[in-house]
Amino acid sequence: GIQVEQSPPDLILQEGANSTLRCNFSDSVNNLQWFHQNPWGQLINLFYIPSGTKQNGRLSATTVATERYSLLYISSSQTTDSGVYFCAVPNFGNEKLTFGTGTRLTIIP
Amino acid sequence: DTEVTQTPKHLVMGMTNKKSLKCEQHMGHRAMYWYKQKAKKPPELMFVYSYEKLSINESVPSRFSPECPNSSLLNLHLHALQPEDSALYLCASSLSYRGANEKLFFGSGTQLSVL
Repeated sequence: GIQVEQSPPDLILQEGANSTLRCNFSDSVNNLQWFHQNPWGQLINLFYIPSGTKQNGRLSATTVATERYSLLYISSSQTTDSGVYFCAVPNFGNEKLTFGTGTRLTIIP
Repeated sequence: DTEVTQTPKHLVMGMTNKKSLKCEQHMGHRAMYWYKQKAKKPPELMFVYSYEKLSINESVPSRFSPECPNSSLLNLHLHALQPEDSALYLCASSLSYRGANEKLFFGSGTQLSVL
């Protein structure tokens, strides 16, 4: 099946710093989603981004489908940004999402 | 209303118990999903319902029994679980089921412990 790798696996930053999270996938996809899982387990859908760039406040995402990667950029980090960030892409049959390995982000006050 | 609501938030059960997890959404979504997530791992799909019919069963053991009484409700009935079934169980919904090409909205999950 399709492989989805995220980097870095862990990231610790001071409040106010900027960060870039990467998602690599092994085959072409027609959409990609970014999720944030907060420390209480809630998964929030941040972006549905087949290609190109989208922005939502301090967050933006870029997917370059032809090169099989997506980037999630977080600016001016806040402690509420802490948690695990997952990207997810359709499997080969487009029947279900395959989640990446996740990046655990910790923002220190 | 853009929420998916799951109850209970926490559940502790013995291996001989029968319990149910409940999920509700009022966004008019016609596809609903159950995922299982072990600690420090990504979510794994268990079941998909589309228009109240079971579309996908990811070879889940029969001790997990899903039910979709109507388009807003999704239940997961649990019976004779094993300790290794302890996990976070997440419900999700999407506008329709076009395979994996729909934006997913998740609930906050039920943390299940099987003793």
